[in-house]
Amino acid sequence: DAGITQSPRHKVTETGTPVTLRCHQTENHRYMYWYRQDPGHGLRLIHYSYGVKDTDKGEVSDGYSVSRSKTEDFLLTLESATSSQTSVYFCAISEPNRGGEQYFGPGTRLTVT
Amino acid sequence: EDQVTQSPEALRLQEGESSSLNCSYTVSGLRGLFWYRQDPGKGPEFLFTLYSAGEEKEKERLKATLTKKESFLHITAPKPEDSATYLCAAPNSGGYQKVTFGTGTKLQVIP
Repeated sequence: DAGITQSPRHKVTETGTPVTLRCHQTENHRYMYWYRQDPGHGLRLIHYSYGVKDTDKGEVSDGYSVSRSKTEDFLLTLESATSSQTSVYFCAISEPNRGGEQYFGPGTRLTVT
Repeated sequence: EDQVTQSPEALRLQEGESSSLNCSYTVSGLRGLFWYRQDPGKGPEFLFTLYSAGEEKEKERLKATLTKKESFLHITAPKPEDSATYLCAAPNSGGYQKVTFGTGTKLQVIP
């Protein structure tokens, strides 16, 4: 299994509070991604990173920010959580120059009340 | 716009009853197609990459095939442990940096 961990695994928070989710990899892959998965929508890309301090937006980036200060860590921050951000969040890693397949972490279930 | 569509949304099979899942895509300059398996409460697990039309990959009871417009995941004599959601994904037109996922087929295999 690819060495990808996510923390926390479960979180319940209130509307308006900031939340940070962490993804940690031990594979030294250059690309890291944050997705959310919701029934009927599948996996949707929030943000991704192609190197330390290099990030770009995905299709559902509004309300989210990311940071990557080290190769192994990619943080997703909800500045002010809303109920529409209740979802399961997955981190993934890949090396596009070596096949491009993505490997996923175990996910974080976030509930915003 | 890159799109990946999977059908059916759900499939219920008796143990041993073979079937196929479909993944159709509209991505210009297709560079490959990925198949994943996702168990409840877990992240997707990579299964196969198919790079060109005519290519086939096999793993146990699963065989993935690719044409110019779609991919099939054939399941031969499935067992209950094959029950999962199967996702396909295609790299976006710009390359492997981003992919578009289908919404998946939820497979249930009944003993």
